[in-house]
Amino acid sequence: GEDVEQSLFLSVREGDSSVINCTYTDSSSTYLYWYKQEPGAGLQLLTYIFSNMDMKQDQRLTVLLNKKDKHLSLRIADTQTGDSAIYFCAEFGGTYKYIFGTGTRLKVLA
Amino acid sequence: DGGITQSPKYLFRKEGQNVTLSCEQNLNHDAMYWYRQDPGQGLRLIYYSQIVNDFQKGDIAEGYSVSREKKESFPLTVTSAQKNPTAFYLCASRAPLRLGTDTQYFGPGTRLTVL
Repeated sequence: GEDVEQSLFLSVREGDSSVINCTYTDSSSTYLYWYKQEPGAGLQLLTYIFSNMDMKQDQRLTVLLNKKDKHLSLRIADTQTGDSAIYFCAEFGGTYKYIFGTGTRLKVLA
Repeated sequence: DGGITQSPKYLFRKEGQNVTLSCEQNLNHDAMYWYRQDPGQGLRLIYYSQIVNDFQKGDIAEGYSVSREKKESFPLTVTSAQKNPTAFYLCASRAPLRLGTDTQYFGPGTRLTVL
């Protein structure tokens, strides 16, 4: 099937690390993405990883890719209240179509 | 300041009416997309266009129509045939492959409510 799976909710305390997980479907996906959506807004690209990489770090964000298990994760270090949002993972197989997960709602508690 | 704009931000429609949602980009991207977002369901592809004067149906095209007469513009019409149109609509464009990332960039969205 084409389902990209994510857990629906995650709650963390301010200053802790957040880890958002995603299981994707297509082992031939070339790029995998993480987007952030704040209430009433569009999707903002956070980071992406090419399929031949295992890890990518960008300031507070770390993306880990396990191709064998088709598992993608996003770690946010020192989570802040401004990080509260919905986070979507997405995969791109190289033609035209992007497949999005259902989104994980991250709530950061002060 | 490059980007994607969508208008209006909020739109109200009476049953039986057609409405058109605007999407404009000045990123010089060839490919553009329309998605529908419902709570807890992620994004579903309505239509996409890879080049001017060409567009293809996505997964949920019934009740929608599009045009792509200009590279910058990809308007979406929600027709009266769409039985449950209340949703958040997102437009996106895709960076050219030659830039290496095949990444989509999104507009701010239009929330359509049927009265």
